[in-house]
Amino acid sequence: QSALTQPPSASGSPGQSVTISCTGTSSDFGAFNFVSWFQQHPGKAPKFLIYEVTKRPSGVPDRFSGSRSGNTASLTVSGLQAEDEADYYCSSYTGSKTVVFGGGTKLTVL
Amino acid sequence: EVQLVESGGDLVQPGGSLRLSCAASGFPFSSHWMHWVRQAPGKGLVWVSRIRYDGIDTGYADSVKGRFTISRDNAKNTLYLQMNSLRDDDTAVYYCGRDLIAGSGSLDYWGQGTLVTVSS
Repeated sequence: QSALTQPPSASGSPGQSVTISCTGTSSDFGAFNFVSWFQQHPGKAPKFLIYEVTKRPSGVPDRFSGSRSGNTASLTVSGLQAEDEADYYCSSYTGSKTVVFGGGTKLTVL
Repeated sequence: EVQLVESGGDLVQPGGSLRLSCAASGFPFSSHWMHWVRQAPGKGLVWVSRIRYDGIDTGYADSVKGRFTISRDNAKNTLYLQMNSLRDDDTAVYYCGRDLIAGSGSLDYWGQGTLVTVSS
């Protein structure tokens, strides 16, 4: 059960777009599309951003979008804002009664 | 309003045991799969365990299998994590999370976390 691979850091200026990747094996993603993304500010609990690869829960701005190509999922944050500076984590259901998270990406808004 | 409130975190010696609780309110607890996720100080999120809405089906990360047991009491709207044979690397904030979609890890609500410190 190795973690999904995310870049440790990403950055962008206000108004720009940033994409964070999340790479695993076919075993990590299983035959499912249960990829989720979470945002975590320092000292806070994670917040649910994206589920089933592309779906946004109510209340999450449409600046956040998800996609997947093969064994790589991606989170794109468009129109970067200062409050988007946080840690971002992907997760996937593996199909073997387990879930795996990515190592996390620290997003800096320049 | 959905609320998840963890408790039971403490300082415990290596080899010791601890039971965490997660009190749920504001939603039909007995209809949702639930998970435990942990985060060591300064580190990333790590999935620990999940349990089906009726308590019958469970899953564990390899790192805790055989040492931790997840359970639930739907009459009390409470999720549990029994942790035995604790090791230094079990030190972390432990979060409970509600699953939006049947065991998929789509955790739409999280508690605030409870800190477990394993140290002599």
